[in-house]
Amino acid sequence: DAGITQSPRHKVTETGTPVTLRCHQTENHRYMYWYRQDPGHGLRLIHYSYGVKDTDKGEVSDGYSVSRSKTEDFLLTLESATSSQTSVYFCAISAKGYGYTFGSGTRLTVV
Amino acid sequence: EDQVTQSPEALRLQEGESSSLNCSYTVSGLRGLFWYRQDPGKGPEFLFTLYSAGEEKEKERLKATLTKKESFLHITAPKPEDSATYLCAVMTTDSWGKLQFGAGTQVVVTP
Repeated sequence: DAGITQSPRHKVTETGTPVTLRCHQTENHRYMYWYRQDPGHGLRLIHYSYGVKDTDKGEVSDGYSVSRSKTEDFLLTLESATSSQTSVYFCAISAKGYGYTFGSGTRLTVV
Repeated sequence: EDQVTQSPEALRLQEGESSSLNCSYTVSGLRGLFWYRQDPGKGPEFLFTLYSAGEEKEKERLKATLTKKESFLHITAPKPEDSATYLCAVMTTDSWGKLQFGAGTQVVVTP
């Protein structure tokens, strides 16, 4: 996944703790996205960003917040992790708002 | 409400046995339809974008077509390396930059 890195790749955390996932890009793309992928649901948009400090909610944003203080970094925070947030999280980038490039994903388990 | 439905959920093919995957959509207005391939443990990889009914795109053994209600991904003479989950997604005219994904079709090609 040239140009886009997600960290960590795997994380196990306890219910009620805050968790931050990081997406880093080296492509200088304007648009960045966070999706979650669950069996039977496909990919669902959590939050997205169309520029530094410009973010908006997706269809499953409750319990999540994001920040983008630099073009290259887009952070996803689970304010108080719950078991329903156990999922695989993907970051994506796009130069023009379409033709996404996805990261390799972060597998998050909330116990 | 916009909807994207993929069928079948899973498909098992013999090597060389051609088949088609379906992506039906109900949206207010279509800006583009996207096909992705996803290998286990990896992020989706972009395949095609289709913008208008009647459009077709090809890449190796894959061919994507679009009508006003659905898209097909035809796999001709598949090989084991074509095994993957294939995802379709739509971008609507009132959701610039945001993709709505179907749940995917898992394809297994056996030698």
